[in-house]
Amino acid sequence: KAGVTQTPRYLIKTRGQQVTLSCSPISGHRSVSWYQQTPGQGLQFLFEYFSETQRNKGNFPGRFSGRQFSNSRSEMNVSTLELGDSALYLCASSWAGEYNEQFFGPGTRLTVL
Amino acid sequence: TQLLEQSPQFLSIQEGENLTVYCNSSSVFSSLQWYRQEPGEGPVLLVTVVTGGEVKKLKRLTFQFGDARKDSSLHITAAQPGDTGLYLCAGFFSGNTGKLIFGQGTTLQVKP
Repeated sequence: KAGVTQTPRYLIKTRGQQVTLSCSPISGHRSVSWYQQTPGQGLQFLFEYFSETQRNKGNFPGRFSGRQFSNSRSEMNVSTLELGDSALYLCASSWAGEYNEQFFGPGTRLTVL
Repeated sequence: TQLLEQSPQFLSIQEGENLTVYCNSSSVFSSLQWYRQEPGEGPVLLVTVVTGGEVKKLKRLTFQFGDARKDSSLHITAAQPGDTGLYLCAGFFSGNTGKLIFGQGTTLQVKP
């Protein structure tokens, strides 16, 4: 099976802009979670989508949003970018089983200047 | 609040040495996963432990889940340079759909 794919892999934006990141989960996986990884905070949960519905949300401002399509592909959007949004954004897919095993994509490295 | 404390944060050892990484919490997890991450890549799932006292082996790696399901350890025997990377433990609470709580990670460097 193909793994989780994320596009783009690298992105450079300036403060105030917005950005959209894309994630294609493993075939058959209906749950997609997003995480932000920074050196200082480690991996922090952003939100999770299942069957096009947001089921869970972390403690991030409303500038961070997402959506999921009928084919389980997901996008996350960050509006009004701040310098502190520079991070590796990771998408993980799961078949939403009992133990929540997640499989991660390679991530999108976002740099905000 | 950091729910998962991972130690040590950094480890630099010689090839052939043994090491243990610890993951501790005051909370009871439904399951706990260990991942390994290389620079510029996403974490790769190594193992999932779900039963208190469970021990799983993956070649030279041994994973243990504490009896009370609050802590876990990863032991590597005869470390090799290919083991170099960031090791992350992640806990899951039943009902907290799609969310893993990650430890801060242990950066392991194995020198030839």
